[in-house]
Amino acid sequence: GQNIDQPTEMTATEGAIVQINCTYQTSGFNGLFWYQQHAGEAPTFLSYNVLDGLEEKGRFSSFLSRSKGYSYLLLKELQMKDSASYLCAVLDSNYQLIWGAGTKLIIKP
Amino acid sequence: ETGVTQTPRHLVMGMTNKKSLKCEQHLGHNAMYWYKQSAKKPLELMFVYSLEERVENNSVPSRFSPECPNSSHLFLHLHTLQPEDSALYLCASSLGGDNSPLHFGNGTRLTVT
Repeated sequence: GQNIDQPTEMTATEGAIVQINCTYQTSGFNGLFWYQQHAGEAPTFLSYNVLDGLEEKGRFSSFLSRSKGYSYLLLKELQMKDSASYLCAVLDSNYQLIWGAGTKLIIKP
Repeated sequence: ETGVTQTPRHLVMGMTNKKSLKCEQHLGHNAMYWYKQSAKKPLELMFVYSLEERVENNSVPSRFSPECPNSSHLFLHLHTLQPEDSALYLCASSLGGDNSPLHFGNGTRLTVT
């Protein structure tokens, strides 16, 4: 079967750095997405990785290792507004999106 | 403003009721989706429409009936639902390319009593 694993919940301190991991076992791979979802709101697109390496977008970076079936989302200089759920999703060989259950990130002052 | 608008935001219905969820996108996208989101579970794809034609139905019970009258509007008609159908129902749209990001609406929080 196909599977995406993410930690259920993480806690971090304002101003710090946090890394949210995502591991996947899918039938094929055509890219990996990260989305952010604030409570009661729509998920919003953060990043897309299809090649190995690190992609940086301001305070957020996303890393991919296809050989390890692994990605992480790195959030720097954490702000209270970063408290949200972070969803990892993989496009399999049929271009179907396989979703993780999401990681709830709690930021403390 | 997400560009994808869903109504209503909240809905409480009995198991014998019939109701409809509405989704409208203002992004000029070609594909529209219905997802079900339950607490601590991955998003479940229910239906996909591309250029107003249904291209995927992930074995969803017939008590859920989608309708896509044009590329900007999507409905989900509900009838004789079960309490386990209580969830957040998310509409999304995309340009339709294989790796196009999804743009989601804020969802309808459905409670079946």
